[in-house]
Amino acid sequence: DGGITQSPKYLFRKEGQNVTLSCEQNLNHDAMYWYRQDPGQGLRLIYYSQIVNDFQKGDIAEGYSVSREKKESFPLTVTSAQKNPTAFYLCASRTGTRSDTQYFGPGTRLTVL
Amino acid sequence: AQKVTQAQTEISVVEKEDVTLDCVYETRDTTYYLFWYKQPPSGELVFLIRRNSFDEQNEISGRYSWNFQKSTSSFNFTITASQVVDSAVYFCALYGGSNYKLTFGKGTLLTVNP
Repeated sequence: DGGITQSPKYLFRKEGQNVTLSCEQNLNHDAMYWYRQDPGQGLRLIYYSQIVNDFQKGDIAEGYSVSREKKESFPLTVTSAQKNPTAFYLCASRTGTRSDTQYFGPGTRLTVL
Repeated sequence: AQKVTQAQTEISVVEKEDVTLDCVYETRDTTYYLFWYKQPPSGELVFLIRRNSFDEQNEISGRYSWNFQKSTSSFNFTITASQVVDSAVYFCALYGGSNYKLTFGKGTLLTVNP
């Protein structure tokens, strides 16, 4: 089945540790996105990538890093510099046209203890 | 700047009632796209509809219908004869041609009680 997978579903980390969230898609989509969702809030864009080996900061990139070495993969690292990392993280992808629909993965809930 | 406002934070209805979720948007772009997504308790965002700014025809899909009115900058979503499975958070989103991202509203939590 074609789709977007994120792993793990739940992730617990100690304060001060870096953690990497996985996002893989087999839809052959060009662009991929990372969003953060906090309770009662909409989605806020962290990073996005329109093609392999290229990515841009979104609205809340501080404390996060990404890579796009393969078309199907867009991992997100939450670094110790992120002040409040506990949140629900959603990955999305779309085809080559900017106005095309973004499709989302199941999300990863990160809790920093 | 782009903005999406979903003024209804939470709505609670009884099964079989009709319910309308409001969405008001702001953009300076003449070409733009509007979306609705559903987020059930599992967390994944499920795409429901995409509408471009040149197409003001209302759309109906089963129990779902959408009313797009450029004159009032609104893109409202109605569920007819609601069911418990409709319980979710619903997000309205806007993509404008001059921007690179989707702008989301804060969502409306719909609870359908049996």
